Amino acid sequence: EVQLVESGGGLVQPGGSLRLSCAASGFTFSSYWMSWVRQAPGKGLEWVANIKQDGSEKYYVDSVKGRFTISRDNAKNSLYLQMNSLRAEDTAVYYCAAMVRGVIGFWFDPWGQGTLVTVSS
Amino acid sequence: DIQMTQSPSSLSASVGDRVTITCRASQSISSYLNWYQQKPGKAPKLLIYAASSLQSGVPSRFSGSGSGTDFTLTISSLQPEDFATYYCQQSYSTITFGQGTRLEIK
Repeated sequence: EVQLVESGGGLVQPGGSLRLSCAASGFTFSSYWMSWVRQAPGKGLEWVANIKQDGSEKYYVDSVKGRFTISRDNAKNSLYLQMNSLRAEDTAVYYCAAMVRGVIGFWFDPWGQGTLVTVSS
Repeated sequence: DIQMTQSPSSLSASVGDRVTITCRASQSISSYLNWYQQKPGKAPKLLIYAASSLQSGVPSRFSGSGSGTDFTLTISSLQPEDFATYYCQQSYSTITFGQGTRLEIK
């Protein structure tokens, strides 16, 4: 069964740090670009970051550049998101997702169940 | 960044109805457009990719069309399990999503 399982979410104070993990199983993790997508409470979806199969390319949404770092360990079939200098507006459910590349663009499939990050004092 | 605008933002419909949701891009994105369904408390699920290709396992009552700036997701005959929020997403440039369309039971 193809599965992505996130962990590491929780309550953190503004300015604090948190590291999210995503464990992949049931597919060849090392063959896929991977992404983090977040959803603030009651709001829509926002792409956060993605990383190439070998980790050589990484891209971020402007609002997290310099604060978040995406990484992966293909030997452990795991994706990570190191989040520093957290702000209240980073409060969201964070999903990891595999990026499937086709002839016309790419799409997210599958998705993990998400992990909630709450930034509050 | 390319802005994606969905309409309507919410929609009430009945089981058996034909429903169309629209997604408009702020500039041409060819067919680099995908659709997702999200139910409360759950992760999004891919329905349609590359504007009109049906993801494996998705019922054929779902269909997508369009290219350039205007796209539609159509559900030909609403089923009870289709009441959810739907999002479009472009991959032509920096990834962006539409704001979502909430489909509710009338």
